[in-house]
Amino acid sequence: SQTIHQWPATLVQPVGSPLSLECTVEGTSNPNLYWYRQAAGRGLQLLFYSVGIGQISSEVPQNLSASRPQDRQFILSSKKLLLSDSGFYLCAGQRLATNEKLFFGSGTQLSVL
Amino acid sequence: GESVGLHLPTLSVQEGDNSIINCAYSNSASDYFIWYKQESGKGPQFIIDIRSNMDKRQGQRVTVLLNKTVKHLSLQIAATQPGDSAVYFCAESTGANSKLTFGKGITLSVRP
Repeated sequence: SQTIHQWPATLVQPVGSPLSLECTVEGTSNPNLYWYRQAAGRGLQLLFYSVGIGQISSEVPQNLSASRPQDRQFILSSKKLLLSDSGFYLCAGQRLATNEKLFFGSGTQLSVL
Repeated sequence: GESVGLHLPTLSVQEGDNSIINCAYSNSASDYFIWYKQESGKGPQFIIDIRSNMDKRQGQRVTVLLNKTVKHLSLQIAATQPGDSAVYFCAESTGANSKLTFGKGITLSVRP
């Protein structure tokens, strides 16, 4: 079965510092990969998705970027964090060429202070 | 999207009662629907899914109902337990390789 590994679980960063969150996938090849952000008590906001290595689609303009250097690796980055980047970040995977269920990681709680 | 910025509505039920969580969708071409449960501080977990060629599917203590005529999806939880307290999200998609579109989410609170 497909497993999403995400780390760290919590992260506290100062404003203006860089960010790198990593997500890796086990149990499937060529997955579709997604980054979501969730503010406290609110819904899921899709940030980026990828259907293959080097292929990134951005859903909303923002201070963040994503990269997919390997088939099973998806990275969320920022050069300079803003206070508004605080939130719960979730990585998810999906079998390629399907519209089936997403498998989510355990999330990273990012606090920008 | 718009729903992301809104506080989630809450459904409060008595322990032991049945819960019904509703979701409306807008895309008549959607052919796959799914319910997720998210506990505090954790990632969403898959509960049950249904394809558009069905109108009902049952799991353990859960039933998903799909009404394509009015574009409505519901999740029924039998004999609700305290462990069912969580946020529930519906999602839909259309065709292979399409993104899941998530609904607003509803907080289920179980009273002892």
